[in-house]
Amino acid sequence: NAGVTQTPKFRVLKTGQSMTLLCAQDMNHEYMYWYRQDPGMGLRLIHYSVGEGTTAKGEVPDGYNVSRLKKQNFLLGLESAAPSQTSVYFCASSYFGATDTQYFGPGTRLTVL
Amino acid sequence: GNSVTQMEGPVTLSEEAFLTINCTYTATGYPSLFWYVQYPGEGLQLLLKATKADDKGSNKGFEATYRKETTSFHLEKGSVQVSDSAVYFCALSEEYSGGGADGLTFGKGTHLIIQP
Repeated sequence: NAGVTQTPKFRVLKTGQSMTLLCAQDMNHEYMYWYRQDPGMGLRLIHYSVGEGTTAKGEVPDGYNVSRLKKQNFLLGLESAAPSQTSVYFCASSYFGATDTQYFGPGTRLTVL
Repeated sequence: GNSVTQMEGPVTLSEEAFLTINCTYTATGYPSLFWYVQYPGEGLQLLLKATKADDKGSNKGFEATYRKETTSFHLEKGSVQVSDSAVYFCALSEEYSGGGADGLTFGKGTHLIIQP
């Protein structure tokens, strides 16, 4: 039981490049989330999904897209990376919504030059 | 909208000292409240939670009580250890009246440093 895994762990991009971050969970959770963590800002919700085939915007969705084609995977895409997207990205999952514990992945550190 | 305010650190204590990290929240309804902990280089993990008013969450010697009247969820521990050094996040999640929920709203985090 691996829990929540994220690929890659580190990445450096140049401005304007694109990339996809992969999140996978093996706990059969319905809900999945993408957050970004910036110094002094805590974590902020980018996008989330309440089930396979669904996605919704969070607090800071601009510049990102997501897809949930399979229940166990949640992809976060950056179409044209900007330096403001330099951050640590965390994926999380939970079985239920508001009252349930979220399980977090180890994070992806992204630097955009 | 929802928000969480917690004391910002770093908070530096000696081993065996008493710990309090304050957390207050603003929410439109009746949120669930959480404390998550992040150890260096790792993702977040749940420390404790409370889902309704007057509930007390507890784990690993840490406690927090959901106080609706003061909109607070302060984290306490009677005797801290060096291994408690980490960043602590207070967070809330609210269920919509029609069912469903979006993600957690986090405070900015409190960096706790315990010296031997």
